[in-house]
Amino acid sequence: SQQGEEDPQALSIQEGENATMNCSYKTSINNLQWYRQNSGRGLVHLILIRSNEREKHSGRLRVTLDTSKKSSSLLITASRAADTASYFCATVNFGNEKLTFGTGTRLTIIP
Amino acid sequence: DAGVTQSPTHLIKTRGQQVTLRCSPISGHKSVSWYQQVLGQGPQFIFQYYEKEERGRGNFPDRFSARQFPNYSSELNVNALLLGDSALYLCASSLASGTANFGPGTRLLVL
Repeated sequence: SQQGEEDPQALSIQEGENATMNCSYKTSINNLQWYRQNSGRGLVHLILIRSNEREKHSGRLRVTLDTSKKSSSLLITASRAADTASYFCATVNFGNEKLTFGTGTRLTIIP
Repeated sequence: DAGVTQSPTHLIKTRGQQVTLRCSPISGHKSVSWYQQVLGQGPQFIFQYYEKEERGRGNFPDRFSARQFPNYSSELNVNALLLGDSALYLCASSLASGTANFGPGTRLLVL
């Protein structure tokens, strides 16, 4: 079963704008990760944030985590056409390593 | 270094048949996990193997089985295929408790 929901399900923005995606989950977690998937192929790991962290940056990516609300957000700044993809959050619980994915956000960057 | 490889890339089977999917992890990675991704949804965890031992199993029927070989490659077997087994099957490898590196997937169509 899916861990939670991602919002929005789909997002279209102009190139250069910022894109924000949200993820909610249901149980206590060890860490939360974000992945990108192009055209239904393999997933690419973007960033990992641990349960004791609140914010993390990697290049144009900024991830926040609010464990009290069981939610996370992914911000992509200065979007590019190559950012067009589906983005998934995935949680890892304490005591195991399995990834529990959300439903994904389909991001389209309009040139 | 080569990434995670999976074979075959595409497969068409008929209901009731059996299928074997193969995965070669990144060199040095001893953990292999399998995920099923139905169109429009996030991946769902099927199995994890570490050092040839099953470490975790998702909510899938006994028709699904897997194994890991001494060279850490892995096979996923699905018996008595159903139409609902049509999906992208993803393999991921990792170092112990590291982030997952996904292969390109095997797209299975059951007719």
